[in-house]
Amino acid sequence: DIQMTQSPSSLSASVGDRVTITCRASQSINTYLNWYQQKPGKAPKLLIYATSSLHSGVPSRFSGSGSGTDFILTISSLEPEDFAIYYCQQSYIIPLTFGGGTKVEI
Amino acid sequence: EVQLVQSGAEVKKPGESLKISCKGSGYTFTNYWIGWVRQMPGKGLEWMGIIHPGDSDSKYSPSVQGRVTISADKSIRTAYLQWDSLEASDTAIYYCARHLTPVTYDALDIWGQGTMVIVSS
Repeated sequence: DIQMTQSPSSLSASVGDRVTITCRASQSINTYLNWYQQKPGKAPKLLIYATSSLHSGVPSRFSGSGSGTDFILTISSLEPEDFAIYYCQQSYIIPLTFGGGTKVEI
Repeated sequence: EVQLVQSGAEVKKPGESLKISCKGSGYTFTNYWIGWVRQMPGKGLEWMGIIHPGDSDSKYSPSVQGRVTISADKSIRTAYLQWDSLEASDTAIYYCARHLTPVTYDALDIWGQGTMVIVSS
């Protein structure tokens, strides 16, 4: 199985901050990397697919980059509604594994 | 509106069987893979497996292979996740989710609301 490692596991930030979350795959996954946001008591929501494509309706302050084994999710200017847990997921090969999550706190 | 609606919460005893459901609407159900994702209490997301409702082709994570069965009934646009013998460690929220692109399994773009399963004696 491909292991997905996110860092940091949690971070504290303020509204307006630029935030970056890293995801590393245990082997190359090309650009088959997706990002999700989950708020307490809610189902996850797709933010970015195929490393850098913004899902419909997702604000442009979210962006993704990377290839191979190293990927980054960037929130350019944190809004109050962005405080949540973020997960990466590889869709290169089955099983489609998730990272452990990054909690973005105030 | 494209949506997945899951069955309600369940409380079961160890050793009991269970089948939870996920009904799709607003799109061509047979064209898109549907996946199941587990979230244990206070933990992250764990991919369990997927099914293609068009031909019932299914694939499983090694961590759950043999413990659960994923199935689908395309006539009623519903996917299922089933256990023959539950264990306390199956206590979790289970999400179904549709893959973004027809035919292939890529990102999960439409999620059900989740089904909480509690297994306790």
